Amino acid sequence: AQSVTQPDIHITVSEGASLELRCNYSYGATPYLFWYVQSPGQGLQLLLKYFSGDTLVQGIKGFEAEFKRSQSSFNLRKPSVHWSDAAEYFCAVGAIDTDKLIFGTGTRLQVFP
Amino acid sequence: ETGVTQTPRHLVMGMTNKKSLKCEQHLGHNAMYWYKQSAKKPLELMFVYSLEERVENNSVPSRFSPECPNSSHLFLHLHTLQPEDSALYLCASSQDFGRVATGELFFGEGSRLTVL
Repeated sequence: AQSVTQPDIHITVSEGASLELRCNYSYGATPYLFWYVQSPGQGLQLLLKYFSGDTLVQGIKGFEAEFKRSQSSFNLRKPSVHWSDAAEYFCAVGAIDTDKLIFGTGTRLQVFP
Repeated sequence: ETGVTQTPRHLVMGMTNKKSLKCEQHLGHNAMYWYKQSAKKPLELMFVYSLEERVENNSVPSRFSPECPNSSHLFLHLHTLQPEDSALYLCASSQDFGRVATGELFFGEGSRLTVL
């Protein structure tokens, strides 16, 4: 069965520092991978997605993610975090055979000034 | 007007009450979804509607009853809920069903439900 693991429940960084949020997936075929962000009191918003091709994908708000098939990972990165990036981040994998989007449990990002 | 609007944003109800959550999408999408978001758990897909027909029902208890009168509106009727049903209920839409795994979901801000 498909699954997504986000090992870090909570991450704290200083404003201006770099960020990497981890995501590991389990899926037999080539996955479709997504990162969503949920700001406090808001719904989820798509940050970026990977379907095929270049393994480094760029998203909105200065985020990028890299697909590494050998490590079954799709980590999210940002070179310099802003206070407004404080939110919860969800990794998801699209399972084409079942047409389902499987979400991880999320990583809460806290940003200190 | 935001893409997906949910009302009410907050709801407190007793176990014997009947209430409804409403979702409206202004994106011209054909598929709409209800998700349940509980703390420390992955998002749980509850129901999917495509062109007003229910295409997915993920073993959700019958105390949750969805309704989709047209492609822009989705309701979740609630009755005799349990305290463990307290959660954030998110509505989402996508251009079409059959592309959930490949397409983008647009979420509303959610309805925070507390069952006493």
